[in-house]
Parts: sequence; C-alpha cells; structure tokens
Amino acid sequence: IAGITQAPTSQILAAGRRMTLRCTQDMRHNAMYWYRQDLGLGLRLIHYSNTAGTTGKGEVPDGYSVSRANTDDFPLTLASAVPSQTSVYFCASSDSPGHINTGELFFGEGSRLTVL
Amino acid sequence: AQKVTQAQTEISVVEKEDVTLDCVYETRDTTYYLFWYKQPPSGELVFLIRRNSFDEQNEISGRYSWNFQKSTSSFNFTITASQVVDSAVYFCALGSGNTGKLIFGQGTTLQVKP
Repeated sequence: IAGITQAPTSQILAAGRRMTLRCTQDMRHNAMYWYRQDLGLGLRLIHYSNTAGTTGKGEVPDGYSVSRANTDDFPLTLASAVPSQTSVYFCASSDSPGHINTGELFFGEGSRLTVL
Repeated sequence: AQKVTQAQTEISVVEKEDVTLDCVYETRDTTYYLFWYKQPPSGELVFLIRRNSFDEQNEISGRYSWNFQKSTSSFNFTITASQVVDSAVYFCALGSGNTGKLIFGQGTTLQVKP
C-alpha cells in the first residue's frame, strides 16, 4: 500500500520559475491538504480540498494554487517561485472533512524545495 | 481563532529519564480533536494519538502517556524511561469538529542522549 506519494522528493529552483509539486493518494480519501513546514513555525496549511472539484485556502495561500480534478491527485503549483517559498512541503489526506471525521491526517514523505 | 502553543522549543534528556512535552491550545469550538505527531530525523510524520474534546480520560500506550485537561486547555505528552529512538520533533495539533484541517504547534525537538 503506497498511501500518499509526493514528487519530487527534492528540488532546487531558480526564483521566478514555475513549479508543480505532485501528490497522489491511493486510499480514496475525500479530503486532501498541503502544508509547509518551516523551522520554528511548525506546519502551516496552504490549501485544502474537501472533495474532488472543490478547494479552499488555508493559513498561507498566497503564491500557491491547487486543483482537484479527481479524488487521487492534488497538485500544488508555485506560479513564480520566490526564496521565501523555500520549505518542506507535505501533502496529506483524511477520509472525510465532515464532523464525523476525527481529522486524522495521513502524510506523504515531504518535498524539499529550495528557491534561489 | 484556533491556536496551538508548544512553549518548549528544545528539550534534552539523558536516556531513561522521564520527559513531558507541553501543549496548550485555544479554540471556541465545543467539539474538537487533539493530536500528537512524531517527526523522526528521517522526516516523515508519524501519528501517535487522537483525543476527542468530550473524552478527558488520560491514555497510556507503552511508555507514552497523554494528559488531557480541558480546564487548562492542555494536552501534555509524557515519555517514560526515554530512549535514544525517541529523539525527534513532536507536534501537537488541533482539529475542529467541522473540518479535517489541523492547526499545528511549533514543535518541540526532543534529544535523548545515551
């Protein structure tokens, strides 16, 4: 069972370039999330999707966009990367966003992005 | 607004010592969930525990135990007889009853020395 797969694992990117981080899950979870992890700040939510076809903004959405064309995939795009977007990015999923869901997240292994 | 505070940035202990990681949360929701995740040096995030807001029973799992106190909005995590393999960053997180989104604390880095 793969769970959540993120790609690439690591990437160095020039400022101003466009970058898409890929995330695929095989658990048929309805909800998916993108977090960024920065030292001293913990994990912060960038964007989320409660179900295929819908997306929402998290705590730090500026400079990022997402799409959810189907249940399994939730790519995160940086349209024009800036150095402050240097971070480790985690994709996560949960079985349901509703109140019956306990909110437990299953995480991918992370994508380390460096913007120069 | 929801907030999670882990006041301890780094903790260093010697193997076999007991250690408690503090977590204080803020929320206006009446139904919410509290979590602890472990992030070892390899980087993945490992789920440890989930607690519902209406269940204040403390929980023990092996060397791990959790103390949930709504009166002080705290959800502290204790490792008994710590081991080197416990060295990691530990995150406390808060989820509301209406969404799967989690608010994470800043994390506490635990170093267990042999």
